[in-house]
Amino acid sequence: GQQVMQIPQYQHVQEGEDFTTYCNSSTTLSNIQWYKQRPGGHPVFLIQLVKSGEVKKQKRLTFQFGEAKKNSSLHITATQTTDVGTYFCAGDGSGNTGKLIFGQGTTLQVKP
Amino acid sequence: DAGVTQSPTHLIKTRGQHVTLRCSPISGHKSVSWYQQVLGQGPQFIFQYYEKEERGRGNFPDRFSARQFPNYSSELNVNALLLGDSALYLCASSLEPGGYEQYFGPGTRLTVT
Repeated sequence: GQQVMQIPQYQHVQEGEDFTTYCNSSTTLSNIQWYKQRPGGHPVFLIQLVKSGEVKKQKRLTFQFGEAKKNSSLHITATQTTDVGTYFCAGDGSGNTGKLIFGQGTTLQVKP
Repeated sequence: DAGVTQSPTHLIKTRGQHVTLRCSPISGHKSVSWYQQVLGQGPQFIFQYYEKEERGRGNFPDRFSARQFPNYSSELNVNALLLGDSALYLCASSLEPGGYEQYFGPGTRLTVT
């Protein structure tokens, strides 16, 4: 079945450093979504990417969708302590069904 | 507008018992999905409902069932609870099943002893 792999599992950075998490799907995706989950919280929607090669920015966050629509990345510039949490990518298969397959997540710790 | 609501917040059950979890979607959202999140892992898809019909089912045993009501709220039922069912159960709503962002509720933390 479809699998979504995400690396790294953990990342510790100094405040102000950049951070990147990568996501790879075993199959072509109709879209990919990114979520952030704070400790003890629930996933919060960040963004959805639909088009091949798409790049979207939200302030210090840059999201990319690969040309083959099988991989994606999230890059945070100049991390802040408020960026702490676990970032998940979630792929929607070729049928655009809304049945999201989540990666294992990357937990970001930011040292002030 | 209120977000997705779930009840109860926490629940402790004994092996072999049955549990019912409830979810109310965002007003106007017709699709509800259920996910199981074990500590340290990403959410795993259980069910998707749209207009009261099951649209998808993940790789979970028949002990898991769900339904959606005319007001689009939903219930997840788990029979014959096992220790391994201990997890955070998340409900997510969206306007329609595919191609839309999903909004998650706070979840129900189920502990099976």
